[in-house]
Amino acid sequence: DIQMTQSPSSLSASIGDRVTITCRASRDIYIYLAWYQQKPGGVPNLLIDHASTLQSGVPSRFSGSGSGTDFTLTISSLQTEDAAIYYCQKYDNSPLTFGGGTKVEIK
Amino acid sequence: EVQLVDSGGGLVQPGGSLRLSCAGSGFSISTYDIHWVRQPTGKGLEWVSGMGSGGDTHYADSVKGRFTISRDTARNSLFLQMNSLTGGDTAVYYCTRKRPEYGMDVWGQGTTVTVSS
Repeated sequence: DIQMTQSPSSLSASIGDRVTITCRASRDIYIYLAWYQQKPGGVPNLLIDHASTLQSGVPSRFSGSGSGTDFTLTISSLQTEDAAIYYCQKYDNSPLTFGGGTKVEIK
Repeated sequence: EVQLVDSGGGLVQPGGSLRLSCAGSGFSISTYDIHWVRQPTGKGLEWVSGMGSGGDTHYADSVKGRFTISRDTARNSLFLQMNSLTGGDTAVYYCTRKRPEYGMDVWGQGTTVTVSS
């Protein structure tokens, strides 16, 4: 099975900072990669699929890039409400494996 | 409004069984892939099982042979029958929908399963 590795596992950044989270697949998954945001006590929320397609209603400061095995989620200017855990997920075929998550904290 | 409502969680003893339900509204579950994802307290997300719109079923290795996914299109609902439960199955279970080649765009509120004596 394909493994999904996220880094870092946690980070702390200031309001307005540019934040980058990476996700690596152990084999080629083309662009079948999604990013989710989960706020404390909340349900996961789909931010991006097809590696770079922003979902309706998601702020434009979020962006995704990559293909094959290496992917990136970028927050261009970190806001208070972005404090959350972010997960990548491969969805080319089963198992639909998630990365381990990246906890983003505000300094 | 498009939504999923999951239910059926509770406290069960090791070796016991539980049946989770996922009711869809605002859309037909038979036109989407519906999946179960679980999350132990303080830990990450784990995909558990899914049923494609065509009725094909898929399971994580950790639950294969113990869990069974099914659906009732007349009730627009999906079910997860969980047998031979262990402490490792303790988690919040979410049902979620996706279309082929897209991410999981609608999630239930989650139902908590606790396996303990």
